[in-house]
Amino acid sequence: GENVEQHPSTLSVQEGDSAVIKCTYSDSASNYFPWYKQELGKRPQLIIDIRSNVGEKKDQRIAVTLNKTAKHFSLHITETQPEDSAVYFCAAREGNNRLAFGKGNQVVVIP
Amino acid sequence: DGGITQSPKYLFRKEGQNVTLSCEQNLNHDAMYWYRQDPGQGLRLIYYSQIVNDFQKGDIAEGYSVSREKKESFPLTVTSAQKNPTAFYLCASSKWGQGVGTGELFFGEGSRLTVL
Repeated sequence: GENVEQHPSTLSVQEGDSAVIKCTYSDSASNYFPWYKQELGKRPQLIIDIRSNVGEKKDQRIAVTLNKTAKHFSLHITETQPEDSAVYFCAAREGNNRLAFGKGNQVVVIP
Repeated sequence: DGGITQSPKYLFRKEGQNVTLSCEQNLNHDAMYWYRQDPGQGLRLIYYSQIVNDFQKGDIAEGYSVSREKKESFPLTVTSAQKNPTAFYLCASSKWGQGVGTGELFFGEGSRLTVL
């Protein structure tokens, strides 16, 4: 099945700087890549997603880029704010249509 | 107020006992899922259901059972056969039932199970 890996596991950034989280996947048939954000004590929520026919997608301060050849996709957060502190999960939709999640990245924004 | 509701939020159980976690949604979603979340392990799929009266095993189904008698409800039973049941359990639903993961997942607030 699909194997999704996230790097780094923990990321600390100064408020106002940019944060980048990278995920790799193994199944070249995967065609949908969402990112979920889970704040402390809260439920995961979708923040952005990208389909395999698109190379980049932006939504205000967040963006996702996809490199199908290298089988990796990245989440970019610009002008980080304290409320960006959370665990971020990437996922990839497998050939059998199931979502495989990565293990999560803890992002800490230092005021 | 539409959403997905899990209960109880916290649950304690003695070893050897079965326990059932409730999950109800009023979003009219076809698909429902159960995930287990352990520190550093991400979200692992236990069971999922695309339509009423049908469900499939996920990656870690051993020691768990589910039912889908109604579209709105997808309860999870953690049986005594689950070797390490202490965890945080998340239920989710999505709009499309044709393919698991084709739509946005809406999660409940989770149930934390502790086995004493």
